[in-house]
Amino acid sequence: GAVVSQHPSWVICKSGTSVKIECRSLDFQATTMFWYRQFPKQSLMLMATSNEGSKATYEQGVEKDKFLINHASLTLSTLTVTSAHPEDSSFYICSAAPGGGAMDTQYFGPGTRLTVL
Amino acid sequence: GESVGLHLPTLSVQEGDNSIINCAYSNSASDYFIWYKQESGKGPQFIIDIRSNMDKRQGQRVTVLLNKTVKHLSLQIAATQPGDSAVYFCAEGGNAGNMLTFGGGTRLMVKP
Repeated sequence: GAVVSQHPSWVICKSGTSVKIECRSLDFQATTMFWYRQFPKQSLMLMATSNEGSKATYEQGVEKDKFLINHASLTLSTLTVTSAHPEDSSFYICSAAPGGGAMDTQYFGPGTRLTVL
Repeated sequence: GESVGLHLPTLSVQEGDNSIINCAYSNSASDYFIWYKQESGKGPQFIIDIRSNMDKRQGQRVTVLLNKTVKHLSLQIAATQPGDSAVYFCAEGGNAGNMLTFGGGTRLMVKP
């Protein structure tokens, strides 16, 4: 149980392209989903917290107009990197929390590697 | 912005030995702690968690110890296997909704 999928797993695009990444909780409903960014040999950096049906909460320094997040249902959140540039190349990972518990473990997707040429 | 050029600390152990991975956390108000394992090119995988009102929790081949006095968390892996080779992250939560704050990570290398 508690499986989270991401699509695509790897995307290569030209500079200026917008890229959409999907995050799905396959066997549970996720009240909250999180988007992280990870550079090589570094830890996960939280970008934003996404709650179903409401606007995402972005961490300091993360441009909300650059990284558009939509959490339209309890099983799907999308991250769109608008007008991607080479510095946006990174490993993007989503996680989902079932919610409702005092200790809500986050279950992570397999990640999406974005390479911007 | 993110730090550049960090190198993960590495723990190298012999297959069959026990491994101990340490983590110092920052917020004394954190309510729970989680260890994740991340293999190259994959997302983090949940290993074990512990609440702040506990000081030890055991799972299959893994034990997590929590010392709130010095804000220290450790993960012990018994009879380490080559498949345990990965980067291990500790995370603390309970301060702001479901948000987790991740530590820097430790790379575990298991020598056959």
